[in-house]
Amino acid sequence: DQQVKQNSPSLSVQEGRISILNCDYTNSMFDYFLWYKKYPAEGPTFLISISSIKDKNEDGRFTVFLNKSAKHLSLHIVPSQPGDSAVYFCAASVGGSARQLTFGSGTQLTVLP
Amino acid sequence: NAGVTQTPKFQVLKTGQSMTLQCAQDMNHNSMYWYRQDPGMGLRLIYYSASEGTTDKGEVPNGYNVSRLNKREFSLRLESAAPSQTSVYFCAHRGALNTGELFFGEGSRLTVL
Repeated sequence: DQQVKQNSPSLSVQEGRISILNCDYTNSMFDYFLWYKKYPAEGPTFLISISSIKDKNEDGRFTVFLNKSAKHLSLHIVPSQPGDSAVYFCAASVGGSARQLTFGSGTQLTVLP
Repeated sequence: NAGVTQTPKFQVLKTGQSMTLQCAQDMNHNSMYWYRQDPGMGLRLIYYSASEGTTDKGEVPNGYNVSRLNKREFSLRLESAAPSQTSVYFCAHRGALNTGELFFGEGSRLTVL
């Protein structure tokens, strides 16, 4: 049973528009959430994170929103750029522990020029 | 490369053959991890090592062994490869803060025929 789910395997967005990537989780013990970005033939790289004490965290063009009651988080990219085309993984952990990091299956984002 | 070197990058094995994936990090971090990535499954933890000389099982350890002989290197061994072990393998290390932020290598693509 997947505790972290990314239900959209792929998403296409026009350059300059907003990209919204979604992630749902089932384990109410999760209290730290992260997004990783992965380009082909490279390892995942950390993008942004949020603790459960917050409902929003912003870093430049990237904003992560957390809705604890719905057990849902989303990553907003504004404006989207072709270089943002990658696979995005959401991940969740208990107490921020890397040992207990659970990843979603990923969403392939394609930003069209 | 996030301070992580993985070798080999590609390998084809026949069922029953053995091989070792090598990983070395140059960041002097204690914690290291081995993940596998399969289509539709995200990243799953195989083994991790909290420090030199210690290792622990992750979510999918069956069919694998690991060795952490020094702080820098963490190797993953397949004693008798099976087609189900066809995957992309990522080594990662963690910084001083246990926030779930990991630094991944570029990956090793393994095909077992």
